Amino acid sequence: IAGITQAPTSQILAAGRRMTLRCTQDMRHNAMYWYRQDLGLGLRLIHYSNTAGTTGKGEVPDGYSVSRANTDDFPLTLASAVPSQTSVYFCASSPGTGMYNSPLHFGNGTRLTVT
Amino acid sequence: LAKTTQPISMDSYEGQEVNITCSHNNIATNDYITWYQQFPSQGPRFIIQGYKTKVTNEVASLFIPADRKSSTLSLPRVSLSDTAVYYCLVGGSSNTGKLIFGQGTTLQVKP
Repeated sequence: IAGITQAPTSQILAAGRRMTLRCTQDMRHNAMYWYRQDLGLGLRLIHYSNTAGTTGKGEVPDGYSVSRANTDDFPLTLASAVPSQTSVYFCASSPGTGMYNSPLHFGNGTRLTVT
Repeated sequence: LAKTTQPISMDSYEGQEVNITCSHNNIATNDYITWYQQFPSQGPRFIIQGYKTKVTNEVASLFIPADRKSSTLSLPRVSLSDTAVYYCLVGGSSNTGKLIFGQGTTLQVKP
């Protein structure tokens, strides 16, 4: 089934450790996004990529990095995890970068707990 | 991107029509209005999109007045399975991909 695959589904991580959240899409979408979701704060954009080879910062990029080496993959890396990065992380993609007729497709999320 | 304002929460009962209004006073000429639905433990999913007047699909209707400073998502005859968070987004055809969600509206449907 076409869509977005995120891995792992959940993870408990010690503070200070490095972690990469994986995201792969098979829809050949140009744009990809990483959001974090925290209770009471809704979805907040971390980083995005309009096309392979380019990335940009969202609302809350500090402490995170991304790369977009090809169309399908958009990994999110926490270089040195801190407890405030405990959250549910969603990866999404869209055919284009504009709003019109280019809805976001989301994965099922990665639940990360930093202790 | 235009900022949006929605009620934080709403309650309804099965079989009722639910209307969720979103304010976007600074909407630009080329901005579209898009609504997403999110169930617990899942990512959001696209519901409906519109530019002006009324749009209807198998899930919902979207009403947009002439000044486009607000929009209303209408869910006909809700069921318990419509309990979810609903997000309103406003953006144009060249927003550099920075799609930003607000807190959304948590709809609780009761039996």
